[in-house]
Amino acid sequence: NAGVTQTPKFQVLKTGQSMTLQCAQDMNHNSMYWYRQDPGMGLRLIYYSASEGTTDKGEVPNGYNVSRLNKREFSLRLESAAPSQTSVYFCASSDKGEGETQYFGPGTRLLVL
Amino acid sequence: DQQVKQNSPSLSVQEGRISILNCDYTNSMFDYFLWYKKYPAEGPTFLISISSIKDKNEDGRFTVFLNKSAKHLSLHIVPSQPGDSAVYFCAASDTGGFKTIFGAGTRLFVKA
Repeated sequence: NAGVTQTPKFQVLKTGQSMTLQCAQDMNHNSMYWYRQDPGMGLRLIYYSASEGTTDKGEVPNGYNVSRLNKREFSLRLESAAPSQTSVYFCASSDKGEGETQYFGPGTRLLVL
Repeated sequence: DQQVKQNSPSLSVQEGRISILNCDYTNSMFDYFLWYKKYPAEGPTFLISISSIKDKNEDGRFTVFLNKSAKHLSLHIVPSQPGDSAVYFCAASDTGGFKTIFGAGTRLFVKA
């Protein structure tokens, strides 16, 4: 089992460019999440998908969109990147989504110039 | 307004001694608490959790204590090992919710 995989590992964008971060899990989990980690801020929830076909906003959704493509895949899109979106992005999945353990991917380091 | 606070950005401990990492929360609706460990360039990994109906949970060298009246939890690592050097995140969630709130993390250094 690969667990949670994320692509790309690292990306440099110019302000205004768009990109999609990909995430996939092979644990048959119902719930998936996107977080960003910034120095001194911990992990902040951007969007989550409680189950296939549903998505909801988290703490910091502005500037992002998500797609739950199927049970395995959950993508995060930046339509017009801004320097404030420079961060490390983590995808996670969990079984029930109610306080259950979340399993994280290795992260995508994004730099917006 | 930070609902989960880890007030110590870093902690240094000698190998073999006890490491105590602290976490405070403000939302009384939280009823499930977790600790995650993170090494550089990797994603966080689950370490230990505790439900609000308990005040202690132990797993090997790791013990989490919960004081609901003080809205405080702590992670004890005994004995500490150099491989424990990592960033530790405290997290909290409420039953029925999907929004786990993370603290800012504490970087633990275990000196050999």
